[in-house]
Amino acid sequence: GEDVEQSLFLSVREGDSSVINCTYTDSSSTYLYWYKQEPGAGLQLLTYIFSNMDMKQDQRLTVLLNKKDKHLSLRIADTQTGDSAIYFCAEMRGSARQLTFGSGTQLTVLP
Amino acid sequence: DSGVTQTPKHLITATGQRVTLRCSPRSGDLSVYWYQQSLDQGLQFLIQYYNGEERAKGNILERFSAQQFPDLHSELNLSSLELGDSALYFCASSVGSTGLGETQYFGPGTRLLVL
Repeated sequence: GEDVEQSLFLSVREGDSSVINCTYTDSSSTYLYWYKQEPGAGLQLLTYIFSNMDMKQDQRLTVLLNKKDKHLSLRIADTQTGDSAIYFCAEMRGSARQLTFGSGTQLTVLP
Repeated sequence: DSGVTQTPKHLITATGQRVTLRCSPRSGDLSVYWYQQSLDQGLQFLIQYYNGEERAKGNILERFSAQQFPDLHSELNLSSLELGDSALYFCASSVGSTGLGETQYFGPGTRLLVL
């Protein structure tokens, strides 16, 4: 299909790991991104991965890319209450290199 | 703070009216993108400008238009507003070169409410 897909909700306990999944559609996407949106705020770039990489680690964040299955995941280690937000994956498409976003995953971190 | 600024932060207006949203990109960025975030449509690409020229259009209505000025700031004009235009409008900027230069940084958004 044409859509970038994400599950809508994820709840985890504080201190646990969170894994947010995404499937994308364009096999020619060069970069894939994760953005975070806190309530009433804009989109904060969290991390990105280049399409020739399988994994990227950045402090508590680990991005895994399975290009064959067009599957992207974001793992947040030691999840904190401040990580509660909506997480969007996005792929870059088209001549304008515009971003196509998933619907966002609402992460709730329980104490 | 991404370095992208947008004004106003909030805008309340009536149906049929016209509004202008403003965006200043990060210093050095040549490319500006506009996106609309609504509950029913999610985040959608509207239009892109690069160094003053329109580069691509997405799901932008004919009632909407944009421009990028010589100082690289951009304005999004929304006219004949309808209730369904109520949304959060984001501006993003990038260097505009290929590779990592395509990474987009978002402003805080303008929340538009049409009554």
